[in-house]
This record gives sequence, structure tokens and C-alpha cells, in this order.
Amino acid sequence: TQLLEQSPQFLSIQEGENLTVYCNSSSVFSSLQWYRQEPGEGPVLLVTVVTGGEVKKLKRLTFQFGDARKDSSLQITAAQPGDTGLYLCAGAGRAGRRALTFGSGTRLQVQP
Amino acid sequence: DAGITQSPRHKVTETGTPVTLRCHQTENHRYMYWYRQDPGHGLRLIHYSYGVKDTDKGEVSDGYSVSRSKTEDFLLTLESATSSQTSVYFCAISESLTVSNQPQHFGDGTRLSIL
Repeated sequence: TQLLEQSPQFLSIQEGENLTVYCNSSSVFSSLQWYRQEPGEGPVLLVTVVTGGEVKKLKRLTFQFGDARKDSSLQITAAQPGDTGLYLCAGAGRAGRRALTFGSGTRLQVQP
Repeated sequence: DAGITQSPRHKVTETGTPVTLRCHQTENHRYMYWYRQDPGHGLRLIHYSYGVKDTDKGEVSDGYSVSRSKTEDFLLTLESATSSQTSVYFCAISESLTVSNQPQHFGDGTRLSIL
């Protein structure tokens, strides 16, 4: 079984602060996806990283895939209250694996 | 937003009763999935489908069955509901099962409480 551990589980910060969320595994993934989920809704895909060492930026969000493709991080710069939500990482295994493996999530609250 | 509708959105039922949740999509995607989401566990795959009448088990399939008689509909049935099946259930769809290009689109979930 491929497991993904996310840290921290909870994060409460003030508007304007920077933060980093981590997603770690002992398994190699062929790609990593990050989702954001708001209360009462399903997760929404933010980004997919595929290549080891890859860095993708989405406005104030920076996603990195580890060189060994076992870990990933999400950095948010100058957090805003609209960033509040549950952030989930999900790994896709080697070719042929049928489904994603989800981490347990990081719940972020940004105080105005 | 992807056209995914889950019904019902909320349900309360008693232990031992059968329960069926429905997922309907308008995207004509081949792959459909049922997940459950519980605190501290993230999303766990129950069953998935790779075509009409083609389904397979996920990591937490015990006590659940699925059916897909049409491309657009994927049903999840709890044969005899237990309190441990109290959860939020999400349906997801995807065009491809290709590992590196598998964005999944989720419905808004069904909150199921079993008393």
C-alpha cells in the first residue's frame, strides 16, 4: 500500500504570512496532484506535477515535486483569507495502478 | 465545473437498512469512482468503474457494491448499513486512467449518517 503523509494537519495563520505544506511518502509516485477542498464541496484540482524536481507556480502558490518523486510541497506566499480550506495531495502510482492515493490533508485557516 | 450530480446530498438511516447513493455525470467520461472521506483518513477509494458494467474494488470495498448500467450513472449500495459507514461519500470522474494525466473531477458529496 502506498501511503502519503501530510504535515502539518492544521495550520492557522494571519493574512499576509507565508506557509509551506508537505506531502511525504516512502513510495515513488509517477505524479503528484494537489487539490483544495472547501466545506460542503468536493476537492478541486490545483496542479499536477510529473517530473522529479519539477516546480510549478500558480499565482501565489508554488508546488514542488521532490527529485526522487516521493515527496511534494506546496508554498503559499502572502496568504489571504480566500486561501482557507483543506489541501490534499494525491499520488498516482506506477503505470497501470488504477487509482490515486490521497493524503489525509492539511486544514488551513487564514485569519484576516 | 464538471457536470457531476450526487443524490441525495444528505441522508440519515438506521443500521441494517440498505442504502443506495447515485452519481450522475453529463461529461461522458469513461471512468467513475466512489470515495469516502473521514477525518484523519483523507479520501479512500471504495470502487471504481472503467466502463458500462465494468467495475473493480478499491481499498475499502467491504460492505459496498456498485453498478453502472449507463455511462452517466454510477450507483453505490450499502447492502446492510453499519455505523462505521457513516461518512461523506464523493463521486469522481475522469477521462483517462493514464497515470500521469488523470485529473479527477469531484461531485459535492453525500453526507450519510447511520444511527
